Amino acid sequence: NAGVTQTPKFQVLKTGQSMTLQCAQDMNHNSMYWYRQDPGMGLRLIYYSASEGTTDKGEVPNGYNVSRLNKREFSLRLESAAPSQTSVYFCASSANPAEETQYFGPGTRLLVL
Amino acid sequence: DQQVKQNSPSLSVQEGRISILNCDYTNSMFDYFLWYKKYPAEGPTFLISISSIKDKNEDGRFTVFLNKSAKHLSLHIVPSQPGDSAVYFCAASARAFGQGTRLTINP
Repeated sequence: NAGVTQTPKFQVLKTGQSMTLQCAQDMNHNSMYWYRQDPGMGLRLIYYSASEGTTDKGEVPNGYNVSRLNKREFSLRLESAAPSQTSVYFCASSANPAEETQYFGPGTRLLVL
Repeated sequence: DQQVKQNSPSLSVQEGRISILNCDYTNSMFDYFLWYKKYPAEGPTFLISISSIKDKNEDGRFTVFLNKSAKHLSLHIVPSQPGDSAVYFCAASARAFGQGTRLTINP
């Protein structure tokens, strides 16, 4: 039982490049989330998916797109990376939107030069 | 504007003593609060939660107190142990997180 997994663990991009961060969970959870963590800012919600087939914007969605590929997988795409997107990205899941407890992946550290 | 605030970026406590971490929120509609613990290079892990219908919840060495009128909650850890050294995040309803407090337990 791996919980929530994220790939890659670390990535360096040049400004303007694109990439997709992958997230998968094996807990049969309905809801999945993407956060970014920046120094002094805590965790900020980028996008979430309350259930398979639905996605919604969070607090800081600009510059990102998401895909809920199936119940297990929720990917985050940066179409044209900017230095302001340098951050640590965490994926999380919960049993359902009303279940507040979230389970987090180990994070992806992204550096945009 | 940050809806959940942890105003102490860091806290240092001696082993065996009590650690008290504080959190304030602005939205009176929040009805569920959680504390997460995070070690370096790992994702946050759930620690303890409290519903707004309660003012206290205990789980072993960890107790969370909620003061709805003050829009304030606190996490008490007693006795503090070296393994408690981590960053602690307060969260409201899974969508609003505080900035985190780095707790260091000194032997």
